[in-house]
Amino acid sequence: GAVVSQHPSRVICKSGTSVKIECRSLDFQATTMFWYRQFPKQSLMLMATSNEGSKATYEQGVEKDKFLINHASLTLSTLTVTSAHPEDSSFYICSAPPLAGALPNEQFFGPGTRLTVL
Amino acid sequence: GQNIDQPTEMTATEGAIVQINCTYQTSGFNGLFWYQQHAGEAPTFLSYNVLDGLEEKGRFSSFLSRSKGYSYLLLKELQMKDSASYLCAAMDSNYQLIWGAGTKLIIKP
Repeated sequence: GAVVSQHPSRVICKSGTSVKIECRSLDFQATTMFWYRQFPKQSLMLMATSNEGSKATYEQGVEKDKFLINHASLTLSTLTVTSAHPEDSSFYICSAPPLAGALPNEQFFGPGTRLTVL
Repeated sequence: GQNIDQPTEMTATEGAIVQINCTYQTSGFNGLFWYQQHAGEAPTFLSYNVLDGLEEKGRFSSFLSRSKGYSYLLLKELQMKDSASYLCAAMDSNYQLIWGAGTKLIIKP
């Protein structure tokens, strides 16, 4: 199956700094990618939908100026957590939805990025 | 609104059978997914149901009743490595996944 990678897998940063997380589709093109956040013992929460060549669509309650999303190419989407605070510490996961004509169950997830803000 | 309900935690014995239930309410429906998630890892796909009935895949089976908004995941011959969280997710009319909070399954020897 198709592969989605994320980098870095883990990051520890100081409060007030910015952190960039990359999500790459390795062997297919993704015009859309989803960014999720998961706090311990909670479900995945959709943060935003990243669209290649256009602005991201943010879910209600997610600050677009704090979580900057750039989908500059058909294989790369980035999420930048700006001025990170300890409450932003979480597990961030990206996914690429089914390709046109593919089965809906072919949802490809990245391995996730564990962010810890001190 | 859209909602997924599943038990928070379940405990079962190695070698036994366990059934994890899930009820859902979504705007439109394009299928019901079950994912396995070990701590600190991304979810991995287990099953997908879009028609009523039972889908069997090795030790794991998944059932769907669209009229009842209900699904279950059945795990047979439980192994210690099956200890994980099991996430139920329904795909809505926009092909977005609505996630349950997950069921933590604890397997005891």
